[in-house]
Amino acid sequence: DTEVTQTPKHLVMGMTNKKSLKCEQHMGHRAMYWYKQKAKKPPELMFVYSYEKLSINESVPSRFSPECPNSSLLNLHLHALQPEDSALYLCASRDSGTGGFPLHFGNGTRLTVT
Amino acid sequence: AQSVTQPDIHITVSEGASLELRCNYSYGATPYLFWYVQSPGQGLQLLLKYFSGDTLVQGIKGFEAEFKRSQSSFNLRKPSVHWSDAAEYFCAVGPLNSGGYQKVTFGTGTKLQVIP
Repeated sequence: DTEVTQTPKHLVMGMTNKKSLKCEQHMGHRAMYWYKQKAKKPPELMFVYSYEKLSINESVPSRFSPECPNSSLLNLHLHALQPEDSALYLCASRDSGTGGFPLHFGNGTRLTVT
Repeated sequence: AQSVTQPDIHITVSEGASLELRCNYSYGATPYLFWYVQSPGQGLQLLLKYFSGDTLVQGIKGFEAEFKRSQSSFNLRKPSVHWSDAAEYFCAVGPLNSGGYQKVTFGTGTKLQVIP
């Protein structure tokens, strides 16, 4: 069983909808990540939070809005998405500092934008 | 810039045969190296990691990998493949050695098919 929990497992949304993805970990990790993975491609980094502060934004469009309310929880708010945003969204966490690897991944949320 | 190359997009092996998946990296310093496995529709599971020390590392599910600095390689091996090993395998390197030290870069992946 994964120690990083993502909900929901599947999400279908229209282009005018607002939805949120949720990620939770209770390993005491202080760095949390959002990745996007298209079919047959490697994961692409979107955001990194370190100590609940956004430390990396890989030029992600503003229709994706991350939030880290506390050290255990990471959200990704979605608004006005496009069909090309359909993908597997993966959350990961790790311990803090450069020695805190590896990344621990959740099972992802499969997002379909109609 | 750091990069990871997995030269084999797709590999087919017979059940019980040995397996080697190739990974080459480009990095400005001693990297951290990882192998992850992903079953369809699932997240990534860590198979093994290399930080320093013994260049032959053992992982879960009977996998091992060898770090060869001279060849900038970190190939994954398994002596006898099981049908349940069919999945996508990603090599990864991190952290990025300037600025965004928290980044992990993934290779393009190798899809493993196991035939009876």
